[in-house]
Amino acid sequence: GAGVSQTPSNKVTEKGKYVELRCDPISGHTALYWYRQSLGQGPEFLIYFQGTGAADDSGLPNDRFFAVRPEGSVSTLKIQRTERGDSAVYLCASSGRDSNIQYFGAGTRLSVL
Amino acid sequence: AQSVTQPDIHITVSEGASLELRCNYSYGATPYLFWYVQSPGQGLQLLLKYFSGDTLVQGIKGFEAEFKRSQSSFNLRKPSVHWSDAAEYFCAVGASGGSYIPTFGRGTSLIVHP
Repeated sequence: GAGVSQTPSNKVTEKGKYVELRCDPISGHTALYWYRQSLGQGPEFLIYFQGTGAADDSGLPNDRFFAVRPEGSVSTLKIQRTERGDSAVYLCASSGRDSNIQYFGAGTRLSVL
Repeated sequence: AQSVTQPDIHITVSEGASLELRCNYSYGATPYLFWYVQSPGQGLQLLLKYFSGDTLVQGIKGFEAEFKRSQSSFNLRKPSVHWSDAAEYFCAVGASGGSYIPTFGRGTSLIVHP
């Protein structure tokens, strides 16, 4: 597709469960970013990939959060032992090499019951 | 570390009226500045950006913003608001160099009355 695609668009899970959120960036974009947006707040940075490697993961809140991008394209954000406080919209963005402009997906709304 | 303040949580305007959304930033050097718009259930769309040069920046949908270094501000303006402009607006500041990871403000919700 032409834009950043995120699946699923909505995910409801129970406290303690494991979830995976997928991001398919714009074709050819080397940089990929994950953000978390809580209700009434702006997006907060989680992790940034340049190619296959995590160039900056300083925004991950704890070790329950992990992300991969094994082939330098699709990325998966993984959350273990989910907590109610993890409920938020998780946004993915991608950008071309040496570009300051990020293109965002529509996000995955995660609800932890 | 950079930071952004959007002092207005909600702004209400009448259709056809002018609009100004405020944004103040904190950053030690010349920043990269952005305005994004987010409609319900949608991702963020870039309205405009400032990297260097002319301090008055034109964007999409008739929006403009002015970088004022002395006031550490990057306010967004539109001369005549349309009902379709109702959305959440986010100002963001990025470091000039490096990973370009922006820091976002908490957003301003624009309500447009007919």
